[in-house]
Amino acid sequence: DAGITQSPRHKVTETGTPVTLRCHQTENHRYMYWYRQDPGHGLRLIHYSYGVKDTDKGEVSDGYSVSRSKTEDFLLTLESATSSQTSVYFCAISLGQGAGGGELFFGEGSRLTVL
Amino acid sequence: DAKTTQPNSMESNEEEPVHLPCNHSTISGTDYIHWYRQLPSQGPEYVIHGLTSNVNNRMASLAIAEDRKSSTLILHRATLRDAAVYYCILREGGGATNKLIFGTGTLLAVQP
Repeated sequence: DAGITQSPRHKVTETGTPVTLRCHQTENHRYMYWYRQDPGHGLRLIHYSYGVKDTDKGEVSDGYSVSRSKTEDFLLTLESATSSQTSVYFCAISLGQGAGGGELFFGEGSRLTVL
Repeated sequence: DAKTTQPNSMESNEEEPVHLPCNHSTISGTDYIHWYRQLPSQGPEYVIHGLTSNVNNRMASLAIAEDRKSSTLILHRATLRDAAVYYCILREGGGATNKLIFGTGTLLAVQP
């Protein structure tokens, strides 16, 4: 089974503070993704990565940055957290690149509250 | 990315089949149809995907209309554990990134 670990799983912070969420995978998958989920919006793609140091923006990238310095780790950073970034954040990896792109495997989520 | 339309909610009885519809009238020839589901307090889970032909796996079946403008996810015998939000998503087949754009999905309630 694909292994994804998200940390922290829960965090409460104050407006204006920096926050970094970490996604760690154990199987050297090339593609990794960060989504956020809010009531009434489903999941929205923030950023994704297609290799070490290769990243691109998703639907809702404003206020977020990412880094991928090694295959196993994909970091999501909120430089100055705002209350609108209170959300549940999911990391995902792509398990295959065959026809149709294969499936995404999701982590358990990180719940962030910005006061 | 092409858009999908799903009912906001559906209800089913335990041990009965469930047909979850999805409309995707603007689908392009290279778009794959993916289905995911999300159980309460969990991340989304892959269910099935297909291009033109109907597909079956251990979780469900996917029936794709001949014109590909709609599809139906079929759960053959619903269980209480199948209560979840089901997402129908189009994924561009020619793209190298495999990113998926989720809609708001269908909330399936299963009654005992």
